[in-house]
Amino acid sequence: DVKVTQSSRYLVKRTGEKVFLECVQDMDHENMFWYRQDPGLGLRLIYFSYDVKMKEKGDIPEGYSVSREKKERFSLILESASTNQTSMYLCASMIQGDQPQHFGDGTRLSIL
Amino acid sequence: RKEVEQDPGPFNVPEGATVAFNCTYSNSASQSFFWYRQDCRKEPKLLMSVYSSGNEDGRFTAQLNRASQYISLLIRDSKLSDSATYLCVVNRGGNNRKLIWGLGTSLAVNP
Repeated sequence: DVKVTQSSRYLVKRTGEKVFLECVQDMDHENMFWYRQDPGLGLRLIYFSYDVKMKEKGDIPEGYSVSREKKERFSLILESASTNQTSMYLCASMIQGDQPQHFGDGTRLSIL
Repeated sequence: RKEVEQDPGPFNVPEGATVAFNCTYSNSASQSFFWYRQDCRKEPKLLMSVYSSGNEDGRFTAQLNRASQYISLLIRDSKLSDSATYLCVVNRGGNNRKLIWGLGTSLAVNP
């Protein structure tokens, strides 16, 4: 089974802080994704990475950046956290383009 | 028009009932189709991939209709544990890694 691990289940940060969300997968998958999920809006793609050091913007990249220094790890960075970034953040990995994605447990992030 | 549309429900059914969900998609180039299940405040989990010829996994059957651009999920003999939100997911065409997620259909199975 694919194991995707997110560093925190719950996180509370303050406005203006730089926030790091970490995600690790153990299946040597090329592709990794960061989503946020909000009520009524569904899953929205923030960024994804298809190889080490490679990244591509998703639908809502503003206010976020990512880092993929190692294949197994994909980090999401909130450069200067704002209250509208309070959300559930989900990391996923996928082996190749026509395969399903597998998710971590999610991080519930609150920005105060 | 949304790229992936689902009836949000909620569908309230008694235990043992058969229930079906449909999902329409707008991109005729989409090649990969999935149903995910999401429990309240949890991550989405893959229920099943959907293949052109249709496929079955126990009480669950998925169908794809490319001509009409919809996929369906049939659940037979509903269990209380089937209560969840069911997400329809398609890719953005060809082998595009990006997926388009429906907003989900809520199912409540009642005793």
